[in-house]
Amino acid sequence: AQKITQTQPGMFVQEKEAVTLDCTYDTSDPSYGLFWYKQPSSGEMIFLIYQGSYDQQNATEGRYSLNFQKARKSANLVISASQLGDSAMYFCAMREGRNTGNQFYFGTGTSLTVIP
Amino acid sequence: DSGVTQTPKHLITATGQRVTLRCSPRSGDLSVYWYQQSLDQGLQFLIQYYNGEERAKGNILERFSAQQFPDLHSELNLSSLELGDSALYFCASSATGYNQPQHFGDGTRLSIL
Repeated sequence: AQKITQTQPGMFVQEKEAVTLDCTYDTSDPSYGLFWYKQPSSGEMIFLIYQGSYDQQNATEGRYSLNFQKARKSANLVISASQLGDSAMYFCAMREGRNTGNQFYFGTGTSLTVIP
Repeated sequence: DSGVTQTPKHLITATGQRVTLRCSPRSGDLSVYWYQQSLDQGLQFLIQYYNGEERAKGNILERFSAQQFPDLHSELNLSSLELGDSALYFCASSATGYNQPQHFGDGTRLSIL
């Protein structure tokens, strides 16, 4: 089974609107971390936000927030007040605690286009 | 600036050749990861090292090899290059712990002619 699933290959959002990018994960490890990365067209991978499995509150970083629903095993990224510079590829990732290698598992990504 | 340094940024070579990509992790990070990203594709995990030892292996071809040195820098060696090896190769590093993110270098863009 896929560890990380991103079901939206592409998304469009109007500038200044909010958008939600979906991510579901699969693990039996009680300790894990969830991460979102942004990859603009220039190619670099930028770490955006982190959510831990034991965190009681949803993580927030500026205009980014994470809608963490542990029972549903989902960790959706919410971008508020979209800007043209938000157009990029977004990857969801997970890191398990008991995995001695602490390997990261990435989803296939969602391409976000912000429309002026 | 992520603190992860990859060299070279661009590499153009021919089929059948061998190249070495280099990565210096962030200060203090013991884990180094290598990824391949082909055009319009996701990240393909290749291999992970932790403090000099191989920890996890992904879809790494036998023509590819890597190592992590005592000073923690890492090298990815690609040999008998084929056109399909053209891709963006990322190195990332992280501290230990499931709550630690990976920090990526800017990547090496490899073009095989």
